[in-house]
This record gives sequence, C-alpha cells and structure tokens, in this order.
Amino acid sequence: AQTVTQSQPEMSVQEAETVTLSCTYDTSESDYYLFWYKQPPSRQMILVIRQEAYKQQNATENRFSVNFQKAAKSFSLKISDSQLGDAAMYFCASGRGAGGTSYGKLTFGQGTILTVHP
Amino acid sequence: DAGVTQSPTHLIKTRGQQVTLRCSPKSGHDTVSWYQQALGQGPQFIFQYYEEEERQRGNFPDRFSGHQFPNYSSELNVNALLLGDSALYLCASRVTQGYSGANVLTFGAGSRLTVL
Repeated sequence: AQTVTQSQPEMSVQEAETVTLSCTYDTSESDYYLFWYKQPPSRQMILVIRQEAYKQQNATENRFSVNFQKAAKSFSLKISDSQLGDAAMYFCASGRGAGGTSYGKLTFGQGTILTVHP
Repeated sequence: DAGVTQSPTHLIKTRGQQVTLRCSPKSGHDTVSWYQQALGQGPQFIFQYYEEEERQRGNFPDRFSGHQFPNYSSELNVNALLLGDSALYLCASRVTQGYSGANVLTFGAGSRLTVL
C-alpha cells in the first residue's frame, strides 16, 4: 500500500519569488514513480513534473524542480519565479512502477492550495 | 488533438437513484482510470479499464461499476446513490505499453455529481 502526505494545506508566495511545497510518502514498492499535479479552478489535473524513484537526479521542468530524498521518503516541489498562473491546488502522488496495467492507479495527497500575490 | 473529455460536466441526483458518467480518452490512449475527488480532498482511485476489462480496483463498493467500449471510451455507473457519493469524478487516460511515458495520466475536467 502507498500513502502520500502533504502537511501544508495552504501556502502563499509573492509573484517572482520562490516557494517550496512539501510531500512525504510511504510505499512498500521497490519500483515506483512520484508526481506533482496542478489543479486550477477549471478542475483539470495537469501534470507538473514526474520523478522515477530509481533515478537519483532530481527532475526539473523549466521553473519547476523537485528535491527527491529517497531515504527520507520526501518529495518536495520548488517553484521558482512564481507567476500568477501558478495559483492552484497542487497534489503530490505516487504510483507503482511495475509497468503495464500497474500504472494508472495513483495515490494522491490531500493537496496544498497555492496563492500567488501580485 | 482532443484531450480527455467527460460528460456531463454537472448533474444533480437524489438518493437511491443511479447515474452514468462518460469518458472519451485522449486520442491514441487505450487505458482509462476513474477517480473520485471529494470537496477539498485528493482524488481516490476507483478502477482502471484496459482491453474492455477491469484491471485494478480501489476500495469502492460494488455499487460502483464500469465499462470500456471497443473504441476505448468508458462509463462509470453508480447505483443506489448516497449523499456521500457527491464528488467530482475524474477520468484519466494513458497508453499502456511500449512507451516511456506510459505512467503519465492525462485527466479530464471531471463530472461534478451532487446527490440530494
């Protein structure tokens, strides 16, 4: 079984500043993936970034990067140069990495609401 | 390129009724997963369909059932609705095999179900 915990219900940041969202997880799987999804008021989940657990290098996608600490089971998201359009609910999620139909079942955290102030 | 489309976007039902929600996956995707997202919570996995069969199931009662059609579209059915079934129902699709991004889900905008 997998569990994902986001301990920050709400975060705020000034435009152009940097913010870090926290996530911890627990899994018995040896092969797994971690994700950050963004859900704006339009409700559609948008993939922000993903990390394969077997890779030691932290994933980056433009202004978004992660700090993956496998031993500590921590997976934080850093947003640099925050923009007004970054305001949304952010979800951390984990999934098995065994391939095939084992994908598609993600375990999500409770979410963090990010507010960006102009 | 159309993404994942879901219908209806909103609906209201009363306790005891039955509801059917529909999902068309992204073009080229063959696997559909359904999630329930209660207000202010993260999505909870309901089940996944591939090759017209239920492949994985989350901790949901048998009142929740589904179907996948030959064109990969899918339906979620919920019988004997309870007040607690009020939620946003998300459909997500992906490609199952032979692709490094096979673990990436593309989500629809969801169907908001209110049970009175």
